[in-house]
Amino acid sequence: SAVISQKPSRDICQRGTSLTIQCQVDSQVTMMFWYRQQPGQSLTLIATANQGSEATYESGFVIDKFPISRPNLTFSTLTVSNMSPEDSSIYLCSVRQSQETQYFGPGTRLLVL
Amino acid sequence: DQQVKQNSPSLSVQEGRISILNCDYTNSMFDYFLWYKKYPAEGPTFLISISSIKDKNEDGRFTVFLNKSAKHLSLHIVPSQPGDSAVYFCAASSMNSGGGADGLTFGKGTHLIIQP
Repeated sequence: SAVISQKPSRDICQRGTSLTIQCQVDSQVTMMFWYRQQPGQSLTLIATANQGSEATYESGFVIDKFPISRPNLTFSTLTVSNMSPEDSSIYLCSVRQSQETQYFGPGTRLLVL
Repeated sequence: DQQVKQNSPSLSVQEGRISILNCDYTNSMFDYFLWYKKYPAEGPTFLISISSIKDKNEDGRFTVFLNKSAKHLSLHIVPSQPGDSAVYFCAASSMNSGGGADGLTFGKGTHLIIQP
């Protein structure tokens, strides 16, 4: 299975600021996704990170708030912009290696004060 | 509208017995179903998956059953061990129009507690 790392593992940020989360995979993968898990909730898909083109966002998520980069097949970033306390969540990167398997990174715990 | 439902927020099972975790879905376009185990402060760990063309998939102590007509799947863990105590998520995906896979839609999870 793919080994996925995320940076930072956690952060505490002030409202109005932005944070960029990095996701690195140890092998080339076609499909990369970003999810978040708000406190006490399930995981929700934010967007599909497309290599060489703009990310595909799910309903309720917009590029201005969550810009995503995917410069190559092993790396992606998610930025949480103009943060508010409601953005306090765990943000997770994941990769799909086949139709039947999808692996997740360890997550980035974000607390916005 | 919740497309993937796990109606039991928690389940307590005695060590050595069988744990059965249930999941229902509403979207008939889902092609694949995946189960994850999650500990606090960690990312979800992939356990087992099943394609919609199958009705059973087995991997060691884990077996997933799919009843497509009922839009229901279940994860069986036997025998249950103390290390199985975690939150289990059911997830589903479908093929997109480009031939690739969509992201996953998750249920809310079931907290499994294995009692010694």
